[in-house]
Amino acid sequence: GAVVSQHPSWVICKSGTSVKIECRSLDFQATTMFWYRQFPKQSLMLMATSNEGSKATYEQGVEKDKFLINHASLTLSTLTVTSAHPEDSSFYICSASGIGHYNEQFFGPGTRLTVL
Amino acid sequence: KQEVTQIPAALSVPEGENLVLNCSFTDSAIYNLQWFRQDPGKGLTSLLLIQSSQREQTSGRLNASLDKSPGRSTLYIAASQPGDSATYLCAVYSGSARQLTFGSGTQLTVLP
Repeated sequence: GAVVSQHPSWVICKSGTSVKIECRSLDFQATTMFWYRQFPKQSLMLMATSNEGSKATYEQGVEKDKFLINHASLTLSTLTVTSAHPEDSSFYICSASGIGHYNEQFFGPGTRLTVL
Repeated sequence: KQEVTQIPAALSVPEGENLVLNCSFTDSAIYNLQWFRQDPGKGLTSLLLIQSSQREQTSGRLNASLDKSPGRSTLYIAASQPGDSATYLCAVYSGSARQLTFGSGTQLTVLP
């Protein structure tokens, strides 16, 4: 199956700093990438959808100026949490779909963000 | 807007039992339904994907069924093992935006 990686797997940062999370499709071209957030004991909530070369589409309630998403190539998307605060601490998971993977998303292993 | 519900929220069974996890969804116009497993602090492992034209899928001790009307799916786990302990998530692929909507999950504990 298709493989998606995320880096870093975990990160701890101070309040007010920015953190960048990378999501890569290793063996396929990801025309669309998705970013999810998961709080403890809760399910995954879609934050935004990004198509390669286009601006991301954010879900209602997600601040686009705080969660910057870039999808500049068919194998890489990045999520930057700007001016992070403790309430941004969460598990961030990306997924990707692409050519030859009709209506299926492949998930990365997730990134645990802790903001002190 | 698609809504996905999973019951029970938690389940504890002795090793060796057969068990059923339930998932229901409100909009039957789906592309597919997928069952995932998530271990604590980890990402998602895809277990089974059922296309909208299919009725069931099987993989080893797992069998998932799909009934679009009413919108529901069941995940059947045969001869449960302690290693099956995890949270099981049901997700439905639907809508013009082709998005995955997740249920809240069933936390399964299989006791040795």
